[in-house]
Amino acid sequence: AQTVTQSQPEMSVQEAETVTLSCTYDTSESDYYLFWYKQPPSRQMILVIRQEAYKQQNATENRFSVNFQKAAKSFSLKISDSQLGDAAMYFCAYRSPLTGNQFYFGTGTSLTVIP
Amino acid sequence: DVKVTQSSRYLVKRTGEKVFLECVQDMDHENMFWYRQDPGLGLRLIYFSYDVKMKEKGDIPEGYSVSREKKERFSLILESASTNQTSMYLCASTAPRGTQYFGPGTRLTVL
Repeated sequence: AQTVTQSQPEMSVQEAETVTLSCTYDTSESDYYLFWYKQPPSRQMILVIRQEAYKQQNATENRFSVNFQKAAKSFSLKISDSQLGDAAMYFCAYRSPLTGNQFYFGTGTSLTVIP
Repeated sequence: DVKVTQSSRYLVKRTGEKVFLECVQDMDHENMFWYRQDPGLGLRLIYFSYDVKMKEKGDIPEGYSVSREKKERFSLILESASTNQTSMYLCASTAPRGTQYFGPGTRLTVL
């Protein structure tokens, strides 16, 4: 099974600053999807950003962008101009097209935004 | 917008009770999933279903079963609840292009 590793259980950032959350994964597949999900305290998990492995260009969604390094199997999330509402648990996820469309999740990074 | 709903946000049950958690999605997705979420362990897959009446075991199926009689509804069943099943349960459905949409979660406490 694919494994997804988030090595930072907790991170903090000053409001308006930039923070990068790390994610690495292990796979032998060449075609797959990668995702970052956000789970605010006591609220629903929502998609932040997704990346198709065949695309070389890094995905961007407003203040959120990724650094996708396919050879290194690395998929980090950069949050620019951090806001208080960015405080949440962030999960990195890998989707395999070969194993019943299963998703594999990391253990999460808890982000605190300091006013 | 995709909507995934779960029958309860909070549930308290006693050891040995049979527990039903229900999940409904409104986007005609074929794939639906049940996870449990525990601190430090992330999301662990219990079961998933890729079509009506079809199911596959995930990583931690022991003590659980599922039912999918209709495409929009995927139920998780705890046959005899135990205290180690106290957890947050998340349901999700997956769009054809791969994004997974989650319900709000059910926080289950087994006493």
